[in-house]
Amino acid sequence: SQKIEQNSEALNIQEGKTATLTCNYTNYSPAYLQWYRQDPGRGPVFLLLIRENEKEKRKERLKVTFDTTLKQSLFHITASQPADSATYLCALDPVSLDSSASKIIFGSGTRLSIRP
Amino acid sequence: GAVVSQHPSWVICKSGTSVKIECRSLDFQATTMFWYRQFPKQSLMLMATSNEGSKATYEQGVEKDKFLINHASLTLSTLTVTSAHPEDSSFYICSAASLGSPLHFGNGTRLTVT
Repeated sequence: SQKIEQNSEALNIQEGKTATLTCNYTNYSPAYLQWYRQDPGRGPVFLLLIRENEKEKRKERLKVTFDTTLKQSLFHITASQPADSATYLCALDPVSLDSSASKIIFGSGTRLSIRP
Repeated sequence: GAVVSQHPSWVICKSGTSVKIECRSLDFQATTMFWYRQFPKQSLMLMATSNEGSKATYEQGVEKDKFLINHASLTLSTLTVTSAHPEDSSFYICSAASLGSPLHFGNGTRLTVT
């Protein structure tokens, strides 16, 4: 069956450390993968998109990798801050070859807590 | 950046009544809108995909007669939960997409059916 798994339901780390979140998928061959942040009672906010031909993508303190052989994406937050505490969701489009107006399937999310 | 407005942000209704939720794209035309439902501590589950001017495509297990979706324009989609029951209580989130960009989400609607 097709699955998207974020293997940590919750992750607690010390401020200043690097947080690493994992997303694994099975029986999909996505052309791209996305990461979103969701705060309690709010809708998800798009963070980064990485395509299958990209190994790594960076945006400020965020870094995403995409290994299509392992069927895995890693999401890193360096120099983590308490304000980074949120749920992070990985998502993929199981069908389309581009990112335009496509159906997105979400992983279950990892609740990240950064303690001061 | 692109903004999606969802209204109301919360609603409490009695069992058997219907509730309408609106989703608007404020500064772009959304060719497609998606409706999700999220239960506490769970991920977003796609309910249906809505394209302007055509019937919505519902995911397996989602009753189309219960969750009525109308996408009358490129900036507005509505979800009506008909004859709501307590088990319909959930967090409903819409998202809108325009060509070549990732999804933009509304801030969700907390529905409580008493």
